[in-house]
Amino acid sequence: AQSVTQLDSHVSVSEGTPVLLRCNYSSSYSPSLFWYVQHPNKGLQLLLKYTSAATLVKGINGFEAEFKKSETSFHLTKPSAHMSDAAEYFCVVSVGAGNNRKLIWGLGTSLAVNP
Amino acid sequence: DSGVTQTPKHLITATGQRVTLRCSPRSGDLSVYWYQQSLDQGLQFLIQYYNGEERAKGNILERFSAQQFPDLHSELNLSSLELGDSALYFCASSVRVAWGDTQYFGPGTRLTVL
Repeated sequence: AQSVTQLDSHVSVSEGTPVLLRCNYSSSYSPSLFWYVQHPNKGLQLLLKYTSAATLVKGINGFEAEFKKSETSFHLTKPSAHMSDAAEYFCVVSVGAGNNRKLIWGLGTSLAVNP
Repeated sequence: DSGVTQTPKHLITATGQRVTLRCSPRSGDLSVYWYQQSLDQGLQFLIQYYNGEERAKGNILERFSAQQFPDLHSELNLSSLELGDSALYFCASSVRVAWGDTQYFGPGTRLTVL
């Protein structure tokens, strides 16, 4: 069975310090992996995606994620947090194709950035 | 088979035109999501409906609109089409409204704007 686990429901960092949002997945197939961000009262925005190309994926707003097959992880990082990064972050795995495609969402990690 | 159906499978139209894409969710699912996938792009979330009401909006252009009907099927309307609107449009459904729910995808509608 496929699943996505975001290991922290809440993460709090100080502005200017690194961000680490952890995501582990379970999939019998070669998955595509995504990180989405949802700012308060706004819609979802794609941060970055992994689709079996380079294992280190760079996204928008300075975020990046590394696909580690041996660890079944796809952690999201940013070297220096900004106040505007405060939001809800979702790790998502896409499995299957065509009519058998499923998008499995993590429960989200709420990121707080303190001044 | 996910149980989500989308029609049509392919659509070819001209710039400036308007099209309607249709989605029928899995039996029992109340939430419908629309996504756009361009060449080499991940899924861009457009909009979500739950039991007939809009629940979340993503990067949906003002030229695009959607609705969910009492029988829970949904339509995505794309107007004043531009070349850049050519993409795969996916519909997905889930039981509830929560983002933690598994979303089951339809096969997609491939839109080509000439």
